[in-house]
Amino acid sequence: SYVLTQPPSVSVAPGKTARITCGGSNIGSKSVHWYQQKPGQAPVLVIYYNSARPSGIPERFSGSNSGNTATLTISRVEAGDEADYHCQVWDNNKDHSGWVFGGGTKLTVL
Amino acid sequence: EVQLLESGGGLVQPGGSLRLSCAVSGFTFSDYAMSWVRQAPGKGLEWVSAISGSGGSTFYPDSVKGRFTISRDNSKNTLYLQMNTLRADDTAVYYCAKTGRTSLYGLDVWGQGTTVTVSS
Repeated sequence: SYVLTQPPSVSVAPGKTARITCGGSNIGSKSVHWYQQKPGQAPVLVIYYNSARPSGIPERFSGSNSGNTATLTISRVEAGDEADYHCQVWDNNKDHSGWVFGGGTKLTVL
Repeated sequence: EVQLLESGGGLVQPGGSLRLSCAVSGFTFSDYAMSWVRQAPGKGLEWVSAISGSGGSTFYPDSVKGRFTISRDNSKNTLYLQMNTLRADDTAVYYCAKTGRTSLYGLDVWGQGTTVTVSS
């Protein structure tokens, strides 16, 4: 089955740029989605289709996807961005189709 | 406003069964695929089932295939998850989530979750 790999944690100072990676075999051929999850809350979609932002998501959030790595970039990081971030793809093959999540990355704002 | 409201969670013994419900409002339910996603305490997100808008297609990971059944009643705007032969490692918060127009759009709306605890 398809596997997505995320770093367990990323730390960044306020005002700096955070980059969270999501690795997978030829992930560049798939549509990658990113979710933000704060403690005790449900996940919120922050990036879909690799780089599109849902309405209400700040422009500071952006995404890219190429080769074997997708990246969520958060510019001008704020304290309120501290959360867990999860990447996701739909794995479609003849034997098994379904959603696949990465293990999640805890973003700490120093 | 689009809303998803899960219910049916609780404490169940190993080997027992539970049925979760997800009542939706604010959109044409039958037009969208839906999923259940769970999160064990302190762990990441794990997808557990998906169903097409018509209900004609269902999808499961190997971890729950044969034990869990997803279904929907489009006349009642409600999604269900029947969970049988529950195990301790099924303990988690269970979320229902709406797919965007297609899987290219991700899961764009989530409920607040319902907690399932499997323990004797």
